[in-house]
Amino acid sequence: EIVLTQSPATLSLSPGERATLSCRASQSVSSYLAWYQQKPGQAPRLLIYDASNRATGIPARFSGSGSGTDFTLTISSLEPEDFAVYYCQQRPNTFGQGTKLEIK
Amino acid sequence: QVQLVQSGAEVKKPGASVKVSCKASGYTFTSYGISWVRQAPGQGLEWMGWISAYNGNTNYAQKLQGRVTMTTDTSTSTAYMELRSLRSDDTAVYYCAREKYGDYFYYWGQGTLVTVSS
Repeated sequence: EIVLTQSPATLSLSPGERATLSCRASQSVSSYLAWYQQKPGQAPRLLIYDASNRATGIPARFSGSGSGTDFTLTISSLEPEDFAVYYCQQRPNTFGQGTKLEIK
Repeated sequence: QVQLVQSGAEVKKPGASVKVSCKASGYTFTSYGISWVRQAPGQGLEWMGWISAYNGNTNYAQKLQGRVTMTTDTSTSTAYMELRSLRSDDTAVYYCAREKYGDYFYYWGQGTLVTVSS
């Protein structure tokens, strides 16, 4: 069973700053990795699929990279609405434990 | 537009069963499977399983095998998730979801809170 480990658990940044979130897999998942954003009381929202493809309607400030076991979600310049919890997913059945992106 | 609309919140006693529905619209129901994902309070996302709306094939998470059953009703474009022998740690928001880009969940239901309490 593949385990996804996200780091850091919490990231404190200010609007306008760059955010870098990490997801590491216990074994290679090729490029079959997605990123989701979840705000309180809402369902998750798909941001990135297949490691680097933005889903429909996702702003260009969100980008994903990586392959094999190491993946990164980058938010180039944080907007107020970006503060949320982010999950990575190895399709279809394994999620990371999440990174909370909070306002500093 | 694709929509997944779930049934309302439930309160159950330990040992009981719950059945959550997910009514799909805006696409050909039998063309896509439906997955179920749950989230305990303050916790992360847990994949529960998947059902093909085409032929009813299922794939369940190993930890839920024997307690969960997923079904579909193609006449009403509705998917169901039944969980039996409920325990307090089954208290969670249960989501149905549908893929768009191949096993990644683009469309989500609004979630159904299931509370297990004596």
